[in-house]
Amino acid sequence: SQTIHQWPATLVQPVGSPLSLECTVEGTSNPNLYWYRQAAGRGLQLLFYSVGIGQISSEVPQNLSASRPQDRQFILSSKKLLLSDSGFYLCAWTPGQNEQFFGPGTRLTVL
Amino acid sequence: AQSVAQPEDQVNVAEGNPLTVKCTYSVSGNPYLFWYVQYPNRGLQFLLKYITGDNLVKGSYGFEAEFNKSQTSFHLKKPSALVSDSALYFCAVRAAGNTPLVFGKGTRLSVIA
Repeated sequence: SQTIHQWPATLVQPVGSPLSLECTVEGTSNPNLYWYRQAAGRGLQLLFYSVGIGQISSEVPQNLSASRPQDRQFILSSKKLLLSDSGFYLCAWTPGQNEQFFGPGTRLTVL
Repeated sequence: AQSVAQPEDQVNVAEGNPLTVKCTYSVSGNPYLFWYVQYPNRGLQFLLKYITGDNLVKGSYGFEAEFNKSQTSFHLKKPSALVSDSALYFCAVRAAGNTPLVFGKGTRLSVIA
């Protein structure tokens, strides 16, 4: 069966520090991968999605970037964090035109 | 462009009563519709989907949803609510093709014992 992992689970970082969040999927190949941010326990904002290695689509211009160095790995990064980057970051995958499956999330607090 | 509206920020219902969480959508062509549930500090869990076929879709934990094309709605329902159903519920839509889901803002369901 397929599983999706995210780490770390929680992270507290100072303003101006770099960021790297990792997402990996097991038990499937060539998944579509997504990064979302959820602020204040509410709506989901799609940040990036990828349909293949090295293919990244950005939905919202911002302080973040994404990379897909391997088929089942999706990384969210920042060179310098802002206070507004705080939130709950969710990674998701889908085999195609079906439902998305979500990881457990990373709670990021920028101080 | 696709969009989803969840008109209620909060829904309160007594345990044992039926519940409805509303969702309307806008999409070009045939819609792919989904419901998810989120418990505090957790990822989203898939409940059910409508792709094609019967307008009444049954999903996990006794939930069901009815697709209404003329009203562009996909309301989530459950005949008898449980306290453990209290959570944040998201409706999502996708057009045909390899496009990301578009989510509504979420509705917080509170089931009172």
